[in-house]
Parts: sequence; C-alpha cells; structure tokens
Amino acid sequence: QPVLTQSSSASASLGSSVKLTCTLSRGHSNYIIAWHQQQPGKAPRHLMKLEGSGSYNKGSGVPDRFSGSSSGAGRYLTISNLQSEDEADYYCETWDGNTRVFGTGTKVTVL
Amino acid sequence: EVQLLESGGGLVQPGGSLRLSCAASGFTFSNYAMSWVRQAPGKGLEWVSSITDGGVSTYYADSVKGRFTISRDNSKNTLFLQLSSLRAEDTAVYYCAKLLAATGTDYWGPGTLVTVSS
Repeated sequence: QPVLTQSSSASASLGSSVKLTCTLSRGHSNYIIAWHQQQPGKAPRHLMKLEGSGSYNKGSGVPDRFSGSSSGAGRYLTISNLQSEDEADYYCETWDGNTRVFGTGTKVTVL
Repeated sequence: EVQLLESGGGLVQPGGSLRLSCAASGFTFSNYAMSWVRQAPGKGLEWVSSITDGGVSTYYADSVKGRFTISRDNSKNTLFLQLSSLRAEDTAVYYCAKLLAATGTDYWGPGTLVTVSS
C-alpha cells in the first residue's frame, strides 16, 4: 500500500508563489495522485489529478493559478500569485487497487 | 451541477449505531463508484470505505472493517454508511465522495458530524 508524505506547513507572501510536495513511497513512484484543498471550516475541494508524467487535469472552476508537476516520486502543487483565500490545508490522495490513501496535509499560510 | 448531501450524523453512545445517508444529484449516480472519508477534529482526512458503481463490491479501511457497512440504492441515488459498535475514536466529520476512475475523488459533500460520547 502506498504512503504519501507531505510537509506539515508552508508559508508565502501575498502575490508570491508556493510549491507543495507530496512524495510517494518506494515502489509507487508512477502512481497518479489527486490534490485537494480544504479551506478553514469547509469540506475539501478537488483541485486536480496529477500523473507521473507531470500531466494534470484540473477540476471544474479551479483558477489558472494552480498548476501541477512531477519528478520521480514527487508530485507538486504550485500556487502562483497567492491570494488570501488560498490559505488552507492541502491534501494529496492516491489509491492502490481498492484502497485509498491520503497524505497528512500541508497547511498553507499567506503572509 | 454535482451535489452530494450527507445526513444522519449526531451524538451516539459508545457501542451504539448510526446510519449515514448521502443524497446525490447532478450526475448519473449508478455509473460511479463512491466512498466515505472521515476527518477527526483537528486531524487529516482518512479513507473509510468505497463501493463500486453497481454496489457489488465493497472495501473498508482496517480501522472500521467488521463494524461499518457501506451500501447504495441506485434507484434513489443514495449512498449509505451503517456505523456499528461505535468508539470514541470514530468521532469525526464524515464526507460522502464521488470517485472518478484514474482521477480519484472529484466531488465532496459538505459532511455530517458523528460524535461518540457518553
């Protein structure tokens, strides 16, 4: 079963960029993941599906400021032109057959 | 527009039972696998259970296996989660989620809170 590792927190200034990392465990480096955003007090929201090739498909209504990339076992979410509403928890998700796994989440603070 | 709306949460004593429902609309419910994901207070997301589009196959996290049962009624566009032998550590917001093949969870409901306490 894959394990997803995320750093606990990240911060960046309003209008700048931040890059979040989700690392797949050994033997699972080719897995597809999904990124989700959870604003304070709200349900999660699907941001994108991200493949090992770096190809990504964003969910409906997700701003252009959000993009994805991959390198080896790393899956990245970049938020450009950071806005106050981007302050949230960000989770990655993957699956192995019929078991689903979430990362521990990264809390993004907008300075 | 895809909509998922959970109901059935509440306060229940340890050892008790509860049935959660999720009413789905805006998509052909019978064509998609569905899942339940929970979030304990102040904690991260934890996958609980999934069910295939036709309801034939079901899957559970080890933490709930043998205690929770997922099911669906495609004629009523509704997903269910039967919670039994509840423990304090089952206290969480339970989210209904739509699954898209090779994409993961693509829609979430607003969640329903289950509190297990005496």
